[in-house]
Amino acid sequence: GQQVMQIPQYQHVQEGEDFTTYCNSSTTLSNIQWYKQRPGGHPVFLIQLVKSGEVKKQKRLTFQFGEAKKNSSLHITATQTTDVGTYFCAGSGSARQLTFGSGTQLTVLP
Amino acid sequence: DSGVTQTPKHLITATGQRVTLRCSPRSGDLSVYWYQQSLDQGLQFLIQYYNGEERAKGNILERFSAQQFPDLHSELNLSSLELGDSALYFCASSVLDRMPGNTIYFGEGSWLTVV
Repeated sequence: GQQVMQIPQYQHVQEGEDFTTYCNSSTTLSNIQWYKQRPGGHPVFLIQLVKSGEVKKQKRLTFQFGEAKKNSSLHITATQTTDVGTYFCAGSGSARQLTFGSGTQLTVLP
Repeated sequence: DSGVTQTPKHLITATGQRVTLRCSPRSGDLSVYWYQQSLDQGLQFLIQYYNGEERAKGNILERFSAQQFPDLHSELNLSSLELGDSALYFCASSVLDRMPGNTIYFGEGSWLTVV
């Protein structure tokens, strides 16, 4: 079945540093979504990417969908303490069901 | 507030017991999903219902069952509980049943502790 792998599992950064998490699928995806889960909270939808090579920005967050639609990345510029949490990618393929990656837990040190 | 309501928020029960978790989806959403999240684990998809019918099944144990009622609320039944079933159980809902273009909204979760 479809597998979505995400790295790194954990990332500690100093406030102001950049952060990137990567997502790779074993199969071609029709779309990929990103979610953020704050400590003690629930996953919250951030964005969806559908087109090959698509790049979307939300303030300091940049999301990319690979040309082959098998990988994606989330890049945060100049992290802040409010960015703390776990970032999940979730992709859907031919079965059109969403498969979540294992998440990247981001810690921002003040 | 996502609009997805889950009860109870916290539950402590003994091994071998049975519990029921309840979920009310967002108004207008026909799809309900159940996920399990253990400590330091990702989101494990359990099962999905769409308008009362089972749509997709993930890694759901035979001891677990779910259903979606005509009013679209859903219940997840966990029986013969084991210590390893302790986890955060999320319910989520969406308008559509399939991707793309389907955004999933998560409830705040039900913390289950089995002692």
